[in-house]
Amino acid sequence: DAKTTQPTSMDCAEGRAANLPCNHSTISGNEYVYWYRQIHSQGPQYIIHGLKNNETNEMASLIITEDRKSSTLILPHATLRDTAVYYCIASYNQGGKLIFGQGTELSVKP
Amino acid sequence: NAGVTQTPKFQVLKTGQSMTLQCAQDMNHNSMYWYRQDPGMGLRLIYYSASEGTTDKGEVPNGYNVSRLNKREFSLRLESAAPSQTSVYFCASSEAPGGSYNEQFFGPGTRLTVL
Repeated sequence: DAKTTQPTSMDCAEGRAANLPCNHSTISGNEYVYWYRQIHSQGPQYIIHGLKNNETNEMASLIITEDRKSSTLILPHATLRDTAVYYCIASYNQGGKLIFGQGTELSVKP
Repeated sequence: NAGVTQTPKFQVLKTGQSMTLQCAQDMNHNSMYWYRQDPGMGLRLIYYSASEGTTDKGEVPNGYNVSRLNKREFSLRLESAAPSQTSVYFCASSEAPGGSYNEQFFGPGTRLTVL
C-alpha cells in the first residue's frame, strides 16, 4: 500500500471551506484514495473515496490530481462538528486492509 | 441495527493476565478487523478476517490471537498482557474484499490499561 503524507494540523473558520491536502506520490494504478475521519476518540468514519475522477457526496468532495500523486478533501461549509482527525489512505478495494497514518487534526473555530 | 458492538468498553489488567475482547456485527459483513490506537497515533491493524474461517496478520500481530467464531463475531485475545498493550482497541467490519469499495464500519472501542 502506498504511503500518504498529510499536514499534522490545520485550522478553519466555521462556515468556510476546509481543504485538506494529501500526498501519495507512490500510489499504484489500481489503488484508491480513501478518506476517513475520527472525532474525539470515537471509531473512524468513512467519508469518501476515489480512483481517478473527482467525487462528491453529501459530506465532502474529493479532488484527485491528474497524475494521481496528490488529492484534496474539501468540506464545503465546515462546522464545529467537523473538528476531527482526518486520515487519507491509499488502498486497494480488494484485500480490504487500511493503513492509517497520523492524519491531519482539523480544528474548526467559531 | 446496532452496527459494530464491542465489549467491554473499559478494562484494567495486571501484567501477565489474559483476556478476550469481543466484537460482533449485525450487518452481514464478510470481513472483520482489529486495530489498536496508541495516544496521538493513527490506528494500526492487528489482525483481520477476510471471510468466515480465515484470519491473517496485520501490521502488529505479536502478543495477540484472534478467532472468527462465526460470520458475526471476531474476538481478540491477549494471552499474557504487557504494559505495551495499553491502548484503545477498535473492531471494524466491511463487505467482502471484492465488494464495490472498502467502507469499514467501526465499533466504539475498548480502552485497555495494563498495569
